[in-house]
Amino acid sequence: DAGVTQSPTHLIKTRGQHVTLRCSPISGHKSVSWYQQVLGQGPQFIFQYYEKEERGRGNFPDRFSARQFPNYSSELNVNALLLGDSALYLCASSQVEALMNYGYTFGSGTRLTVV
Amino acid sequence: KNQVEQSPQSLIILEGKNCTLQCNYTVSPFSNLRWYKQDTGRGPVSLTIMTFSENTKSNGRYTATLDADTKQSSLHITASQLSDSASYICVVTRASGGSYIPTFGRGTSLIVHP
Repeated sequence: DAGVTQSPTHLIKTRGQHVTLRCSPISGHKSVSWYQQVLGQGPQFIFQYYEKEERGRGNFPDRFSARQFPNYSSELNVNALLLGDSALYLCASSQVEALMNYGYTFGSGTRLTVV
Repeated sequence: KNQVEQSPQSLIILEGKNCTLQCNYTVSPFSNLRWYKQDTGRGPVSLTIMTFSENTKSNGRYTATLDADTKQSSLHITASQLSDSASYICVVTRASGGSYIPTFGRGTSLIVHP
């Protein structure tokens, strides 16, 4: 059974461009969440989606947006890229809505470099 | 402010030795605390999950403790192996308006030398 898959694995973009990152959750998982991890720091929570609805949002500007599709896969979109957006973007999936007492499984991430 | 502080920032130990990593948090209201292991360039992998009422949780050679009164947690690694070299991240989740928001620490970088 496949784990959480993210694409692409690596990406280089120019300042001002737009980027779309993709995530496929583990089969049967209905919740997807996104994180930004800058080099040398812990991940920062961006969004959580459950059943195609946004259920949580971190402290990120409106340039960041996401959506979840009927098959529970998800996209993270970032507009007007800045150099500071360079990071490892992680996606995690879980079976249930609440991130309470349930573990969530991370993908290997997409390494975004903005030049 | 909701924060998770981990110490030490980095740690070097010899193979076979034990070590303890610390996590202090100010996240509120508390929902749960997790420890993750993250290898370089990979996504974090869950080690333990603890709720308010749990004081200790073990997963093989990993044992996590939680003191919800002092808002402190520790991760003890027994008989370290070379494969334990990784970053260990403490994550505290708070309940917020029907959502559950995780706050990650910056991690402790552990290097195990032969």
